[in-house]
Amino acid sequence: KNEVEQSPQNLTAQEGEFITINCSYSVGISALHWLQQHPGGGIVSLFMLSSGKKKHGRLIATINIQEKHSSLHITASHPRDSAVYICAVPQGGSEKLVFGKGTKLTVNP
Amino acid sequence: GAVVSQHPSWVICKSGTSVKIECRSLDFQATTMFWYRQFPKQSLMLMATSNEGSKATYEQGVEKDKFLINHASLTLSTLTVTSAHPEDSSFYICSSQGASYEQYFGPGTRLTVT
Repeated sequence: KNEVEQSPQNLTAQEGEFITINCSYSVGISALHWLQQHPGGGIVSLFMLSSGKKKHGRLIATINIQEKHSSLHITASHPRDSAVYICAVPQGGSEKLVFGKGTKLTVNP
Repeated sequence: GAVVSQHPSWVICKSGTSVKIECRSLDFQATTMFWYRQFPKQSLMLMATSNEGSKATYEQGVEKDKFLINHASLTLSTLTVTSAHPEDSSFYICSSQGASYEQYFGPGTRLTVT
């Protein structure tokens, strides 16, 4: 079974700061997901990536398959970025996902 | 990215009644849909996997007679919580997977059973 570790668990930043959230997993995968969950509970799929880097607006996701590690970066953070960020990977040999415990980000104005 | 919708976004029901939650993939055909449950301050937990036209596969500990899943078309899956009890109050989330194996998540449905 794939084990997923996210760090940090909680992160507080000032508006405008550069944010990095990390995710490590134990078993080689085909792709990794980054999700965003707002306080109301709704989940947004941010990225699915299998190699290299993807960018969408102020969000950048990178993955290193050899090191089994991914990072999610937020540039010029804003209070509306405050949410829980979750990474998820396949459960090794299955399409089922295993989820990290999430990183709670708070961006203060 | 693809869009997945859920309806309703929130529902309050009385104990003993049944509630149906719909999950629709709006712009692609979902060969597989997943249903998750999330209790407060916890991670998403997979409840079941459903493939279009076949019976759902439930995770250990999930009662298939209580959580009825129907995946009658490539764009719609439904989860019915039968004889709901307060302990079923939770956030229910679906995700849809197409032929490319990308998964897209719905916004979730918050169920409160009184």
